[in-house]
Amino acid sequence: TQLLEQSPQFLSIQEGENLTVYCNSSSVFSSLQWYRQEPGEGPVLLVTVVTGGEVKKLKRLTFQFGDARKDSSLHITAAQPGDTGLYLCAPSGNTPLVFGKGTRLSVIA
Amino acid sequence: NAGVMQNPRHLVRRRGQEARLRCSPMKGHSHVYWYRQLPEEGLKFMVYLQKENIIDESGMPKERFSAEFPKEGPSILRIQQVVRGDSAAYFCASSILGTNQYEQYFGPGTRLTVT
Repeated sequence: TQLLEQSPQFLSIQEGENLTVYCNSSSVFSSLQWYRQEPGEGPVLLVTVVTGGEVKKLKRLTFQFGDARKDSSLHITAAQPGDTGLYLCAPSGNTPLVFGKGTRLSVIA
Repeated sequence: NAGVMQNPRHLVRRRGQEARLRCSPMKGHSHVYWYRQLPEEGLKFMVYLQKENIIDESGMPKERFSAEFPKEGPSILRIQQVVRGDSAAYFCASSILGTNQYEQYFGPGTRLTVT
């Protein structure tokens, strides 16, 4: 069974601050997806990373896939209240998507 | 550009009743997945279906739960004789290709409350 850990579990920051959240596993991922879920809504796909060491940018969000493909990070620059939500990672492969418990981010104006 | 649609968005059932949750995948998607999310918990996979076939139901409780994805119409997740522990948000996702290497797009969910 693939163990997936996301940290921190909760994060509350002021608008304009930078932050990094992490997704770690005991197994190697063939690829990994990051989602954001806002209260009362379904998860929205942000990015898929495939190659070890890959870095993808989505405006103020920077996603990195570890060289060994066992971990990933999401860095947000100058966080805004609209970034508030639950950030979920899910490695993909030949098994059903297994989600971490997520990082619940709150950005205070 | 219709995304994944789910209805109803909210469903209230008394213990012992049946709940039927519907999911219409994105246009062109023929693979559907159902997930359950308990309060303050992550998403848990339940079942993966193609048209008229159940591909993987390893996450589905053995009793009271069933799913189908008929040739025509939406996918249905059916919960018989609901209990309070079934209260959760149920999400449907769809994808173009069946392997999880390909991206899944989620609907807004159905929030089931069992009273």
